[in-house]
Amino acid sequence: EIVLTQSPGTLSLSPGERVTLSCRASQTVSSNYLAWYQQKPGQAPRLLIYGAASRATGIPDRFSGSGSGTDFTLTISRLEPEDFAVYYCQRYGSSPPYTFGQGTKLEI
Amino acid sequence: QVQLVESGGGVVQPGRSLRLSCAASGFTFSTYGMLWVRQAPGKGLEWLAVISYDGNNKYYADSVKGRFTISRDNSKNTLSLQMNSLTTEDTAVYYCAKEGGGSGSCPDYWGQGTLVTVSS
Repeated sequence: EIVLTQSPGTLSLSPGERVTLSCRASQTVSSNYLAWYQQKPGQAPRLLIYGAASRATGIPDRFSGSGSGTDFTLTISRLEPEDFAVYYCQRYGSSPPYTFGQGTKLEI
Repeated sequence: QVQLVESGGGVVQPGRSLRLSCAASGFTFSTYGMLWVRQAPGKGLEWLAVISYDGNNKYYADSVKGRFTISRDNSKNTLSLQMNSLTTEDTAVYYCAKEGGGSGSCPDYWGQGTLVTVSS
């Protein structure tokens, strides 16, 4: 089973700042099948990025994903107030289980 | 628009069973894999199970293998999760989700979840 480790656990930032979140896999994620989700309190997760770098439908271009192999990042170029939430990475594609990272919380 | 509506949650005693359902609309249900994910109170997301578009392939997390069964009825656009031998560790919000594309795709739409509380 591939284990995903996200860092840091919590980040305290201000609107307008740039932030980079990390997701490290215990084994190579094949074909860069790595997704990022945003979750706000009381809401379901929302898909932001798939295939490590492709934005999902309707996602603002301030969100970008990169990486390959075992190291992946999600960057928010300029934080908006609505971006303060918890972010999860997930591997998918082949050989379940499709594990999630433990999450990174962005707080003001 | 895609809609996924879970139902069937509630309070159940340890050792008992519960069946969750997910009603899907707004897309061709029979052509997409579906999955269940849960989230314990204050915790992260846990992938539980996935079922292929035709129901022929199913995979489970080790934590629920042998106790939970995922199934689907393409004639009724419904996904189900049969949960047996429940423990307090199964207390969580349970989400159904739709795969975004072919088999093994990441989920692109999620329901709002249904809360299962296992307590005596």
